[in-house]
Amino acid sequence: DGGITQSPKYLFRKEGQNVTLSCEQNLNHDAMYWYRQDPGQGLRLIYYSQIVNDFQKGDIAEGYSVSREKKESFPLTVTSAQKNPTAFYLCASTKDRGTYNEQFFGPGTRLTVL
Amino acid sequence: RKEVEQDPGPFNVPEGATVAFNCTYSNSASQSFFWYRQDCRKEPKLLMSVYSSGNEDGRFTAQLNRASQYISLLIRDSKLSDSATYLCVVNPGRDSNYQLIWGAGTKLIIKP
Repeated sequence: DGGITQSPKYLFRKEGQNVTLSCEQNLNHDAMYWYRQDPGQGLRLIYYSQIVNDFQKGDIAEGYSVSREKKESFPLTVTSAQKNPTAFYLCASTKDRGTYNEQFFGPGTRLTVL
Repeated sequence: RKEVEQDPGPFNVPEGATVAFNCTYSNSASQSFFWYRQDCRKEPKLLMSVYSSGNEDGRFTAQLNRASQYISLLIRDSKLSDSATYLCVVNPGRDSNYQLIWGAGTKLIIKP
């Protein structure tokens, strides 16, 4: 079955540590996205990538980093510089870049900073 | 003004009733619109796309009013399983480099 996988489902981090969230898709989609969702708020875009080896900052990129070395993979690193990282992180993809197509989501990673 | 605004609810509705909620958007250049459904602690899932004046899929009808810049979602004969948060999503096109703008969601609770 084609889809988007994210791991881990739950992640606990101590303050000052960097952590990397995995996102893999086998849909052959060009564009991939990382969002953050906090309770009672809409999704906020962290980073997005429309082609391999290229990515752009979203609205809240500070304290995060990404890479896109392969079409199917778009890992997100939450660095110690992110001041309030506890949130629900969602990875999404779109078939074509620069279009009006809908996005499809992975199941998310819930990050808690202890 | 927020780019996409929704009434957060919750809307408490008896099973079998019809419920409707609206979403307003600020960018008049927006070309495509979506309704997503999100269950508690789960990812959003596409419910409907709204590309022209509206769209209907079974008990669900979405309508677009470009003049007033709002889209609506109507749910007929509501089921207990319709309880969820409904997210309104707008794509302003080139103005946002085709990135989606998300509303904060409307929570719907269907009661037996």
